[in-house]
Order: sequence, then structure tokens, then C-alpha cells
Amino acid sequence: GEDVEQSLFLSVREGDSSVINCTYTDSSSTYLYWYKQEPGAGLQLLTYIFSNMDMKQDQRLTVLLNKKDKHLSLRIADTQTGDSAIYFCPGYRGQNFVFGPGTRLSVLP
Amino acid sequence: NAGVTQTPKFQVLKTGQSMTLQCAQDMNHNSMYWYRQDPGMGLRLIYYSASEGTTDKGEVPNGYNVSRLNKREFSLRLESAAPSQTSVYFCASREGSGANVLTFGAGSRLTVL
Repeated sequence: GEDVEQSLFLSVREGDSSVINCTYTDSSSTYLYWYKQEPGAGLQLLTYIFSNMDMKQDQRLTVLLNKKDKHLSLRIADTQTGDSAIYFCPGYRGQNFVFGPGTRLSVLP
Repeated sequence: NAGVTQTPKFQVLKTGQSMTLQCAQDMNHNSMYWYRQDPGMGLRLIYYSASEGTTDKGEVPNGYNVSRLNKREFSLRLESAAPSQTSVYFCASREGSGANVLTFGAGSRLTVL
């Protein structure tokens, strides 16, 4: 199967919470990451979680990790128009990160 | 901090022309990477360099060559550009310690006519 699976699209209303889900296959990475790509820009690190943790909170962002099910999620509270972007959770293959197409989050006014 | 700097940001080539994409990082990272991003495909690894003096093929190396000039610089060369190489190219570097974060450049948009 794929190294990482994410839904391709998600639409939410401004002010609502967004939840982006990710399922990965290789669990050897010590850390798991979320990257954000705004239109016309490069990828920027949004947050990461140590693989021995099950939750990390960082202001409006909450990362949940279910290592048994190899499932990672990113919750964005009070979603704003500036959160519109593509979100990636890279998988891991050998020594390198593997990026799927990501989840495109659209925030509707 | 500049981070990862790529040049040029935009380039238009004709089929068969050659060019080099330049990448430099100022974070003293050992590992550097070249990816391409096509619509709906995510990022695909072209080549990587785990350390100065070494390079390895990634998922889609055909039609490309790389040079790890020194610890800071990692260039990607298209010897004879083809329309299939129209893409956005990203260079990245990686800490190699701690959280081992991958840091990306802003991208280079290449169009081959």
C-alpha cells in the first residue's frame, strides 16, 4: 500500500475546527511531522510529535498519535482563512521522507 | 536566517536545453534533497545527499544529475530538458539530529516548452 494515506480535500467554515487525518505504514521514525504548504510557497514545518507521545498541543493545533493503528491527526481549532493550504504528513521509507499529495484545506467564510 | 535558498525561482526552457538549479543552506545540515511536485502527485524524491561527497538516487532520477559541491550547496542539473520535466522543484535540507526536521526552500517553477 501507500506509505501515507490522507483525504485529498477538506472544507470547513471559518471559526469551526478542522481535523486532518493521516495513516502511515512505516513506524520507524522517531518523530512524526505535519507540514503546511500555502499557495505558491514551499513546505513549512507546522508541528511534530515524538513517536512515544500520544498528544501534543501547540496553541490552536492539536496532534494526536495512535501508534498501534499508525494513525496521526491534526486538529486546528477556530480555523481561519489563513489556514487554507495543503497539509502533509510525510511517511518514512528507508532513510527518507515520503510525501503523498496531502490534504487541501479550504476555509469558507 | 536565510534557511534554504533556491535559484532561480522561475525558468522557461525549450526542449533539449540544459540548466542547473542551485540550492544552498546555511544551517550546517548534512543531508540535502531535491524533490519535484506535480499536481495531484505529492512530492517525489529525485536525488539526495546524505553528506558532503555522497549522492544517491531517489524515486525519479532519470533525466537529472546532481552535484554536492560542498556542505552548503547541492545543485540539480537537467542536461536535455523535456516537457515531462515541467514541474515545481524543491530543495530541502535536514538536521540529522534532534527532531531531524526537513527544511524546504521556496521552490523553483520550471516550464519546458
